[in-house]
Amino acid sequence: NAGVTQTPKFRVLKTGQSMTLLCAQDMNHEYMYWYRQDPGMGLRLIHYSVGEGTTAKGEVPDGYNVSRLKKQNFLLGLESAAPSQTSVYFCASSTWPSSYNEQFFGPGTRLTVL
Amino acid sequence: GNSVTQMEGPVTLSEEAFLTINCTYTATGYPSLFWYVQYPGEGLQLLLKATKADDKGSNKGFEATYRKETTSFHLEKGSVQVSDSAVYFCALSLNSGGGADGLTFGKGTHLIIQP
Repeated sequence: NAGVTQTPKFRVLKTGQSMTLLCAQDMNHEYMYWYRQDPGMGLRLIHYSVGEGTTAKGEVPDGYNVSRLKKQNFLLGLESAAPSQTSVYFCASSTWPSSYNEQFFGPGTRLTVL
Repeated sequence: GNSVTQMEGPVTLSEEAFLTINCTYTATGYPSLFWYVQYPGEGLQLLLKATKADDKGSNKGFEATYRKETTSFHLEKGSVQVSDSAVYFCALSLNSGGGADGLTFGKGTHLIIQP
């Protein structure tokens, strides 16, 4: 049981490049989330999904797209990376509705945009 | 809107000292409250939770009580160890009807325990 895994762990992009971050969970959770963590800001929600084929915007969705084609996977895309997207990205999945939205986090992806 | 305010660090203590990390919240409903811990280079791990007023969450010697009257969820530990050095996040979830939005996090408190 691997829990929540993220690929890649580190990435450096140039401004304007694109990339996709992959999140996978093996806990059969319906709900999945993408957050970004910036110094002094805590974690902020980018997008989330309440089930396969569905996605919704969070607090800071601009510049990102997501897809949930399979229940166990949640992809975060950057179409044209900007330096402001330099951050650590965390994926999470949730036991909701069975346990008050207790969330399980992946190890994170550190992204630098030059 | 919803928000979480927690004391910002770094907080530096000696081993075996008493720990308190303050957390207060603003919410439009009746949230569930959480403390998460992040060790260096790792993701967040759930430390404890409380889902209704006066509930006490506890784990690994840490405790926090859900105080509705003061909208607080302060984290405490009686005797800290060097291994408790980490960043601690207070968070809330409103469990909005029909779905679960993401957690609302505080900015995190960096705790440093010196031998």
